[in-house]
Amino acid sequence: AQKITQTQPGMFVQEKEAVTLDCTYDTSDPSYGLFWYKQPSSGEMIFLIYQGSYDQQNATEGRYSLNFQKARKSANLVISASQLGDSAMYFCAMRESLGGGNKLTFGTGTQLKVEL
Amino acid sequence: DTEVTQTPKHLVMGMTNKKSLKCEQHMGHRAMYWYKQKAKKPPELMFVYSYEKLSINESVPSRFSPECPNSSLLNLHLHALQPEDSALYLCASSQNPGFKNIQYFGAGTRLSVL
Repeated sequence: AQKITQTQPGMFVQEKEAVTLDCTYDTSDPSYGLFWYKQPSSGEMIFLIYQGSYDQQNATEGRYSLNFQKARKSANLVISASQLGDSAMYFCAMRESLGGGNKLTFGTGTQLKVEL
Repeated sequence: DTEVTQTPKHLVMGMTNKKSLKCEQHMGHRAMYWYKQKAKKPPELMFVYSYEKLSINESVPSRFSPECPNSSLLNLHLHALQPEDSALYLCASSQNPGFKNIQYFGAGTRLSVL
């Protein structure tokens, strides 16, 4: 079974609009971390935002916010006021505490295209 | 500063060549990672070094040989690679191992094996 599922292979959004990228996860570990990364065509994997399983508040970082619904096992990324430079591949990822927490498991990614 | 530096940016090698990829960080991070990423796929973990000791090898073929000479440096030695090893190789580091620690990535080395 997939540990991280991203069901949107591609998304389009108009500049200045908000967009939500979906992510669901599967774990029986009570302690885990959820991450979102952005990968432009240049290849670098850029860290965007982190949510811990015990965090009570949804994480926010500038225009990025994470809609964390623990009971539903979802961790959707919301990008507000989209910009052309937001066009990239976005990966949701999870680290579980079991086994030392060293492994970062990625979803298959969502390709976001921001249009004028 | 969250910079992880990888060299070279691009590498073309024949199947009989020996080459090395280099990764450097000066953030005082004690965990470092190698990932392999094929086009339009997510990164796949290859190796994890924790406090300069190899802690995870994800059943990677022996033609890939990692080395961690000190806490700031991570190398990946390549020998007798196959064309299917062509990929983007990403290095990452985190302050410590453990699920709360953010992994910061370098820009990667694009490897082509002819």
